Amino acid sequence: SQQGEEDPQALSIQEGENATMNCSYKTSINNLQWYRQNSGRGLVHLILIRSNEREKHSGRLRVTLDTSKKSSSLLITASRAADTASYFCATDANDYKLSFGAGTTVTVRA
Amino acid sequence: DAGVTQSPTHLIKTRGQQVTLRCSPKSGHDTVSWYQQALGQGPQFIFQYYEEEERQRGNFPDRFSGHQFPNYSSELNVNALLLGDSALYLCASSLDAAETQYFGPGTRLLVL
Repeated sequence: SQQGEEDPQALSIQEGENATMNCSYKTSINNLQWYRQNSGRGLVHLILIRSNEREKHSGRLRVTLDTSKKSSSLLITASRAADTASYFCATDANDYKLSFGAGTTVTVRA
Repeated sequence: DAGVTQSPTHLIKTRGQQVTLRCSPKSGHDTVSWYQQALGQGPQFIFQYYEEEERQRGNFPDRFSGHQFPNYSSELNVNALLLGDSALYLCASSLDAAETQYFGPGTRLLVL
């Protein structure tokens, strides 16, 4: 079973718009990470936020974490066609494994 | 600097057969994890190898086994293949208990 649940399952936006996706999880975590996957190939690490952090930025990415609600959000600003991909949240409970959600598929229309 | 590499890229097997997938970690990494990703799902953790030992295992049957070699490369073996084993198998490497794992491109296995 998946630890995290992403919402929405799919998202279609116009180039230049912002994309927001959410992740909820069930157990206590050490950190939460977001990954991108293009066309069913390997995963690319985007950003990591630790359990004692509330917000983190990396380029056009902004991640928030609310441990009291066991939820996180990923915002991609000024989206581009190259952002079309599936995005996964993954939790690390300090047990040597990552637990992934089912992902959000983002389509950026030109 | 080579990233994580996996071979083969694609594989077709029939039910009951056995398969071996291979992974070479990113240079300098000593820990290898394996994940199974069914179509439309997120990756599921199979197991992790460190210092040639299985350190952690997910909820997978004994048909799934692995090995890590002294050069840190790793193999995933699946015996008695079932149709449900059809998936993308991802290898990830890291430096011991480092938080970030680096993923390879995966091996797509189809069981007929």
